[in-house]
Amino acid sequence: DIVMTQSPDSLAVSLGERATINCKSSHNILYSSNNQNYLAWYQQKPGQPPKLLIYWASTRESGVPDRFSGSGSGTDFTLTITSLQAEDVAVYYCQQYYNTPYTFGQGTKLEIK
Amino acid sequence: QVQLQESGPGLVKPSETLSLTCAVSGYSISSDYFWGWIRQPPGKGLEWTASIYHSESTYYNPSLQSRVTISVDTSKNQFSLKLSSVTAADTAVYYCARHRGRTEYFDLWGRGTLVTVSS
Repeated sequence: DIVMTQSPDSLAVSLGERATINCKSSHNILYSSNNQNYLAWYQQKPGQPPKLLIYWASTRESGVPDRFSGSGSGTDFTLTITSLQAEDVAVYYCQQYYNTPYTFGQGTKLEIK
Repeated sequence: QVQLQESGPGLVKPSETLSLTCAVSGYSISSDYFWGWIRQPPGKGLEWTASIYHSESTYYNPSLQSRVTISVDTSKNQFSLKLSSVTAADTAVYYCARHRGRTEYFDLWGRGTLVTVSS
């Protein structure tokens, strides 16, 4: 199985500041034939299902604010939230869909400082 | 508007079989999507369990493969999950979700249903 490891486990950021969450894959999830990274980011608020934010490592889902961005390639990826808003408090997960079993990171809890 | 809605018993006894259904509305389950189940134990992370495409292609997490079955009922536009020989470790919120391909992300999720395994 591909192991996804996120860092940090929790993060406290002031309103209006930048939040950065990292995700490392145990296997290269860049598919050379199409030059795509098979990585997604999800946001989960308490009592709600995960919500897709980013796919193909850097493509923002429709309706997701542009303060959310994804970057990285191969085995190292980053989710950046510029100018943190109160409604961004949530747990964030990365997920690889390069092959089955699909696997998720352990989650990063984002709070307001 | 496409929606997914999970249903099933909230309480299952140890060693019994957990059965869940996901009703799909606003979209034909026979169309070009994969349908899957992801679970989340209370306070913990996400674990993919199984996915299915057009009834004939099924994919299972090897950690559960001997106990899990996923199926589609096109007449009711729904898909189901069965997990046998459950233990307390199977207590979780079970989400159904949609993904466009075998190697694609989950773009739509149901609200989830909590299943507790307890005598």
